[in-house]
Amino acid sequence: QKEVEQNSGPLSVPEGAIASLNCTYSDRGSQSFFWYRQYSGKSPELIMSIYSNGDKEDGRFTAQLNKASQYVSLLIRDSQPSDSATYLCAAADMEYGNKLVFGAGTILRVKS
Amino acid sequence: DGGITQSPKYLFRKEGQNVTLSCEQNLNHDAMYWYRQDPGQGLRLIYYSQIVNDFQKGDIAEGYSVSREKKESFPLTVTSAQKNPTAFYLCASSLAGGLSEQYFGPGTRLTVT
Repeated sequence: QKEVEQNSGPLSVPEGAIASLNCTYSDRGSQSFFWYRQYSGKSPELIMSIYSNGDKEDGRFTAQLNKASQYVSLLIRDSQPSDSATYLCAAADMEYGNKLVFGAGTILRVKS
Repeated sequence: DGGITQSPKYLFRKEGQNVTLSCEQNLNHDAMYWYRQDPGQGLRLIYYSQIVNDFQKGDIAEGYSVSREKKESFPLTVTSAQKNPTAFYLCASSLAGGLSEQYFGPGTRLTVT
């Protein structure tokens, strides 16, 4: 069974700090990785995708991928209370090209 | 205004009844998916479809059925055979393949008593 593991949290950071969210995956063949943000009672919203080793930046968000270590992370700079949500990491299952395997999510709380 | 719509937002049913959840997209996406989310858990794939008139079982297909008669529509039926149907059901779509980003509809919260 292919798995994506995340620390459930909650991860608490003060407003303005950097929040670091981490994820490991079991399928060494995975090529695509995604971060979703989910507010309580709402559906997931895609915030970042990453396909190559290294960093990818988009505004206050930076995704990092290390395929050798099977590790994906999301950094949120200048964290705001509105960033408080559950962050889901997902990896594409290459055996079934359309399938995403999701982690259970990390709860982030940004305190003002 | 492009997007994915799901209806209804909330659905209440008695045990033993079949219920159909609607999912429509106007993004011209080829692939559509149904996921289930339970409290404190990640999303689990129920069914997915890459093209019209074709669909595949996901990890937890037992007790569910789908159809894909139109590119825009991918309804999910929760049958009475599904042992624990109460959950948050999410529909998603993507252009094609696992390399493409999936976008989610607002979800349907189903409660069966």
